[in-house]
Amino acid sequence: EVQLVEGGGTLVQPGRSLRLSCAASGFSFEDFAMHWVRQIPGRGLEWISSISWSGDTIGYADAVNGRFTIVRENAKNTLYLQMNSLTVDDTALYYCVKSRQQYGRGYFDFWGQGTVVTVSS
Amino acid sequence: DIQMTQSPSSLSASVGDRVTLTCQPSQDVMKYLNWYQQKPGKAPKLLIYDVSNLETGVPARFSGSASGTGFTLTISSLQPEDFATYYCQQYAKMPLTFGGGTRVEI
Repeated sequence: EVQLVEGGGTLVQPGRSLRLSCAASGFSFEDFAMHWVRQIPGRGLEWISSISWSGDTIGYADAVNGRFTIVRENAKNTLYLQMNSLTVDDTALYYCVKSRQQYGRGYFDFWGQGTVVTVSS
Repeated sequence: DIQMTQSPSSLSASVGDRVTLTCQPSQDVMKYLNWYQQKPGKAPKLLIYDVSNLETGVPARFSGSASGTGFTLTISSLQPEDFATYYCQQYAKMPLTFGGGTRVEI
């Protein structure tokens, strides 16, 4: 059974940093691209970052480019999102998402349950 | 960026109704169009990929098609468990983008 378990979400002050993690199991993690997608409560979905199966191809949405860093450790079946210089606009539910493809352009065939990041003073 | 416009933003329907949702991209996305279902408090779930391919385990009452430059998701006979929000998503170009969603209500 595919499982994606996110962690690290919490209340944080503006300007601070946070690292999210996503523990994957039930599939061959090193064979697929992975993504982070966020959702403001009651709002739509926003793709924010992707990383290819090998980690050598990475993409970011403009809203987070230069502030967020996506990393994967295939040996640990774990995906990370380092979030720096957080603003109130980053407040959202963050989903770890598996792609069916090896590279970033693709679709999302399994989603974690999400971890909540609240940025507030 | 490719903007994805979904219509309507919400609709009311009854069990057994045939329901059609539309998604209009701002640019050609070729076949790279997918649909997701999200129920309250739950993560989205892939329903259809590449315009018309039904994801494994998704009931056959769901179907997807292209219509001109846009796309449609059709539920042939709405069931109680289908009341949810539906999102389209393109992967023709980065950044990957979603539509704003269509909420299907009773």
